[in-house]
Amino acid sequence: NAGVTQTPKFRVLKTGQSMTLLCAQDMNHEYMYWYRQDPGMGLRLIHYSVGEGTTAKGEVPDGYNVSRLKKQNFLLGLESAAPSQTSVYFCASSYSRFGYEQYFGPGTRLTVT
Amino acid sequence: GENVEQHPSTLSVQEGDSAVIKCTYSDSASNYFPWYKQELGKRPQLIIDIRSNVGEKKDQRIAVTLNKTAKHFSLHITETQPEDSAVYFCAASPDAGNMLTFGGGTRLMVKP
Repeated sequence: NAGVTQTPKFRVLKTGQSMTLLCAQDMNHEYMYWYRQDPGMGLRLIHYSVGEGTTAKGEVPDGYNVSRLKKQNFLLGLESAAPSQTSVYFCASSYSRFGYEQYFGPGTRLTVT
Repeated sequence: GENVEQHPSTLSVQEGDSAVIKCTYSDSASNYFPWYKQELGKRPQLIIDIRSNVGEKKDQRIAVTLNKTAKHFSLHITETQPEDSAVYFCAASPDAGNMLTFGGGTRLMVKP
């Protein structure tokens, strides 16, 4: 099992460009999450999904959109990138029940110039 | 919503000493408190967790304690080793769903 994978691993964008980050999991998890990690601020939840076809906003959703068309995939989109979105992005997944471990992907380092 | 504060932000100890990291949370509905370890350049991984019906939990050299009345919980690492060097994150989750609010992280450095 590959667990949780993310593509790409690194990306540099110019201000105003758009891109999509792909997260895939092969553990049949219902819940999937997108976080951003900035120095000294821990992991902050951007958007999450509790099942195929459903998404919801997290703590810092502005400037991002998501889609969950297939259970195993969770896409994070940046329509018009800004320097403030320079960060490391982590995807995670878990079983749907309370108190289950979240499994993280390897991360995507995004730089917006 | 939930707010989790974590202290200290950096911690340096000698190999073999103990390390303690403390977190406080604001939402009394939180009932699940995991700790994640993130080595440099790697993904966060769960190392231990505790639920609100338990006051303390141990797993070899690591332990977590919870004080629901005071809304704080702590990670204790005994007999630290260089491979314990990493960033540690605490988190809290309410009963509904499985959403986590993370603390800001503690960079632990264990000097040989």
